[in-house]
Amino acid sequence: SQTIHQWPATLVQPVGSPLSLECTVEGTSNPNLYWYRQAAGRGLQLLFYSVGIGQISSEVPQNLSASRPQDRQFILSSKKLLLSDSGFYLCAWSVWVGSSYEQYFGPGTRLTVT
Amino acid sequence: DAKTTQPPSMDCAEGRAANLPCNHSTISGNEYVYWYRQIHSQGPQYIIHGLKNNETNEMASLIITEDRKSSTLILPHATLRDTAVYYCIVRVPDSGGGADGLTFGKGTHLIIQP
Repeated sequence: SQTIHQWPATLVQPVGSPLSLECTVEGTSNPNLYWYRQAAGRGLQLLFYSVGIGQISSEVPQNLSASRPQDRQFILSSKKLLLSDSGFYLCAWSVWVGSSYEQYFGPGTRLTVT
Repeated sequence: DAKTTQPPSMDCAEGRAANLPCNHSTISGNEYVYWYRQIHSQGPQYIIHGLKNNETNEMASLIITEDRKSSTLILPHATLRDTAVYYCIVRVPDSGGGADGLTFGKGTHLIIQP
């Protein structure tokens, strides 16, 4: 069966420090992968998506970057965190269900920038 | 994507059916209705989707009105673990091209009472 992993589960980082969040999927090959952020009290915001190794598309200009060094690995990074980067970061991948691709989410990483 | 309107919160007694409404009066002919839910501190979970016929799976039933301007998600026998925020989305199905990020609004906070 397919599964998606994210780590760490929680993270507290000072302003100006670097960030690296990792997402890996198992049980599939060449998935579409996504990074989302959910700020406190707000909806889900798509940050990046990737359709293959080395292929990254950014949806929102910001302080973050993403990379896909392997087929089933998706990394979210920042060189210098801002207070506004705090939030719940979710990795997702898309799976064919019935009549379309559906997105399945990982457990998330809760980031607090202090 | 068309806009949806959901009540901010609802209560339901454990063991009873939970009926969650969603209005989508500007839905286009090629847009489907999707439902996701998010349990506190977890990633969103896909529930069900449909175009115009009623749909049922192991989690829920989806009833779409004949004019497709509204729909209802039904959890037939709600349990305490169904307490979550439920999101109704209307969108063109993801064809796997990778650019189809999800956009969630505020959703309905469903609280199952013991």
